[in-house]
Amino acid sequence: AQSVTQLDSHVSVSEGTPVLLRCNYSSSYSPSLFWYVQHPNKGLQLLLKYTSAATLVKGINGFEAEFKKSETSFHLTKPSAHMSDAAEYFCVVSGPYTGGFKTIFGAGTRLFVKA
Amino acid sequence: DGGITQSPKYLFRKEGQNVTLSCEQNLNHDAMYWYRQDPGQGLRLIYYSQIVNDFQKGDIAEGYSVSREKKESFPLTVTSAQKNPTAFYLCASSGRDRTSPYNEQFFGPGTRLTVL
Repeated sequence: AQSVTQLDSHVSVSEGTPVLLRCNYSSSYSPSLFWYVQHPNKGLQLLLKYTSAATLVKGINGFEAEFKKSETSFHLTKPSAHMSDAAEYFCVVSGPYTGGFKTIFGAGTRLFVKA
Repeated sequence: DGGITQSPKYLFRKEGQNVTLSCEQNLNHDAMYWYRQDPGQGLRLIYYSQIVNDFQKGDIAEGYSVSREKKESFPLTVTSAQKNPTAFYLCASSGRDRTSPYNEQFFGPGTRLTVL
């Protein structure tokens, strides 16, 4: 069985300070993990993905995430927040499922960035 | 430019009407998906298709129907049987990648459906 939990529904940071969005997952097999960003009334855009290569994954716009198998975590970080980072972020797990594969989306974390 | 288009961007429906949401992709992807997103919630899978002329129900298929007659197109019909259709609808597609069998999905800009 697979599941994904985003530990914070809302995160608020000041511009220029670090960002940490937390994600824990559960999977019986080695999954692929993704982070997406969604700005209001827009589609989702892929930030980065982990597919069993390097455990530290670098994405677009200065974001990165580290896959920690022992902690079943895939937290998203950025050293310095910009106002344009204010959006909804989704952690996603994808892996084998009966007859194929299954993709599960987390509930999302809304990031607020204060000037 | 390659990508996914959805139309219309906004759609208003009267109760009892069926409406069809369009989704087209020119990424040459085999798989396509429809999701529903409600305020403050994640995405819920309605239907998906891994190949032309074949599709499968997702987690919330009741009140919806789809077709996949062409690789590029995956229209979603919201029928009058869907009791609470007001939501944001997202279409996505994914292709094959030698590095992983579980590939990322590419999303369209979405259609906001409102029932009057």
